[in-house]
Amino acid sequence: RKEVEQDPGPFNVPEGATVAFNCTYSNSASQSFFWYRQDCRKEPKLLMSVYSSGNEDGRFTAQLNRASQYISLLIRDSKLSDSATYLCVVNPLGNTGKLIFGQGTTLQVKP
Amino acid sequence: DTGVSQDPRHKITKRGQNVTFRCDPISEHNRLYWYRQTLGQGPEFLTYFQNEAQLEKSRLLSDRFSAERPKGSFSTLEIQRTEQGDSAMYLCASSPERKGLGERTQYFGPGTRLTVL
Repeated sequence: RKEVEQDPGPFNVPEGATVAFNCTYSNSASQSFFWYRQDCRKEPKLLMSVYSSGNEDGRFTAQLNRASQYISLLIRDSKLSDSATYLCVVNPLGNTGKLIFGQGTTLQVKP
Repeated sequence: DTGVSQDPRHKITKRGQNVTFRCDPISEHNRLYWYRQTLGQGPEFLTYFQNEAQLEKSRLLSDRFSAERPKGSFSTLEIQRTEQGDSAMYLCASSPERKGLGERTQYFGPGTRLTVL
């Protein structure tokens, strides 16, 4: 079983749609959680951290369910520029800070 | 540009050759990471430095791979006797070592794309 699992998609949605991505992780001791965005042939960039109480950044909302070991990302009012791969990322142990990435979920927003 | 830089951006080599990649982290970031990413997959952790000390190595890092960070600043990743399976994007990331959730953010370089023929 992979440490971080995501549905690879692709998710094809029209502009203005709301889309949700889910992710599960296997290590219950994981301490930090993130969503990274990766454009084609570019490096990953931090989209947002995920907090236990849930957090929002503009059109993006992230939620964490520690009991179910489940992370989600909701994108409202999708824009063409949201087209990218969204990586679910977990920091399993706080000391080293190494990140464990999911496979990524590809989003294609169409006009 | 004060971000993470990597050199070269692209490398094509023949099987069996040795290659070396360089990473320059963000100034004053004492943590440096190497990851490898193959097509359709997320990045996979390879190794981690805190200053000049290599504190963790993944099982993915076979004996043909070696990484150094001699002065705690830039780092090199060398692959000896390259194999076609080594073809991937090699990503470097750095982060500061402060406490708190926000400070664990890792900033990635543009990567070195390796193609082994």
